[in-house]
Amino acid sequence: QKEVEQNSGPLSVPEGAIASLNCTYSDRGSQSFFWYRQYSGKSPELIMSIYSNGDKEDGRFTAQLNKASQYVSLLIRDSQPSDSATYLCAVNRDSNYQLIWGAGTKLIIKP
Amino acid sequence: DADVTQTPRNRITKTGKRIMLECSQTKGHDRMYWYRQDPGLGLRLIYYSFDVKDINKGEISDGYSVSRQAQAKFSLSLESAIPNQTALYFCATSDSGSHLETQYFGPGTRLLVL
Repeated sequence: QKEVEQNSGPLSVPEGAIASLNCTYSDRGSQSFFWYRQYSGKSPELIMSIYSNGDKEDGRFTAQLNKASQYVSLLIRDSQPSDSATYLCAVNRDSNYQLIWGAGTKLIIKP
Repeated sequence: DADVTQTPRNRITKTGKRIMLECSQTKGHDRMYWYRQDPGLGLRLIYYSFDVKDINKGEISDGYSVSRQAQAKFSLSLESAIPNQTALYFCATSDSGSHLETQYFGPGTRLLVL
């Protein structure tokens, strides 16, 4: 079992709909969680970070964390074609602050 | 100007050659990282440095070495390049004093080993 798992996709979502991306992790001691967006051939850029159970909203993006079930989700409302990218989930496992990365989910927003 | 820069952006080399990838940052961060990315495998940590005198191996350090010349500079060397080191390489930085310690990435170096 990988430490951080994501469905590789591609996940195809119509423009204007809600895109839901999921990530599960294996280490119950994980403390903080990150969603990065990566366009093809470009570097990852931070979308959201979360460390407390529940929801965290930033514009069209909502991160949801459930530590009991060991998953973190990213919701993108009113999806736009510019949201088409690969979304990487990263988990901070311990005080060493090494991030453990999922392989990413490719999201395609269809006009 | 970009906060994290990498040189070169693209490099083609031959098997057995020694090459160096360089990373510089103006963010004032103390921690720096080198990752490689291969299709379908996500980001894998090669080396990381928490300060100038602290260098640590990541999960795939074999065949690589690093040098932290200053707080702002972190170089990655391939002592004798081999074709399976063909990948996209990213440098990243983070600030140990920040709350969630987000990592910020450079633009990447695309390396092809023939």
